[in-house]
Amino acid sequence: KNEVEQSPQNLTAQEGEFITINCSYSVGISALHWLQQHPGGGIVSLFMLSSGKKKHGRLIATINIQEKHSSLHITASHPRDSAVYICAVRSPYGGATNKLIFGTGTLLAVQP
Amino acid sequence: NAGVMQNPRHLVRRRGQEARLRCSPMKGHSHVYWYRQLPEEGLKFMVYLQKENIIDESGMPKERFSAEFPKEGPSILRIQQVVRGDSAAYFCASSPNQGDEQYFGPGTRLTVT
Repeated sequence: KNEVEQSPQNLTAQEGEFITINCSYSVGISALHWLQQHPGGGIVSLFMLSSGKKKHGRLIATINIQEKHSSLHITASHPRDSAVYICAVRSPYGGATNKLIFGTGTLLAVQP
Repeated sequence: NAGVMQNPRHLVRRRGQEARLRCSPMKGHSHVYWYRQLPEEGLKFMVYLQKENIIDESGMPKERFSAEFPKEGPSILRIQQVVRGDSAAYFCASSPNQGDEQYFGPGTRLTVT
């Protein structure tokens, strides 16, 4: 079982729909990241959060530390949001390592 | 302030050759991380370096792979005697301090023929 699980693996939506991508993890963490990767492209960091909720434009990320769960929401989705969304957790602060452990990603396709 | 830079963006090597991948962190960042994305697989941590030191190399294959981050110049990921299974996208990320947000480079796509 992966330490970081995402659902769904694939998601197709119509333009304008509200989208939710979920991430569950089984290890202790110091922070959780949401990343975006376009096909064949680089990786963009969307959010880093360790508690509560963050909002940037049409994107909202929430985390529940007790339940070891995070969600990424996209409001008023647009075809340009089509990409792979990746959840990654950072191993506990204070250790020597600062590495990220990644989920397998959610492939989102938003149709016009 | 330029972002994380990686070069080359695409690299083709024949089996047995050496591959050198370079990563220039963002200005002011002294922590560098290398990640590998194999075809149809997720990203995996390889190595974490701070200037002149390897902090964590638990994700590096035991043979043929090495990394450095010298006092001057970019971080280098070196793969000796490449094999087809090394074909992947290699991403570098940097952060100003341990625990800070990591910023990713555009990646180097290595193809071994």
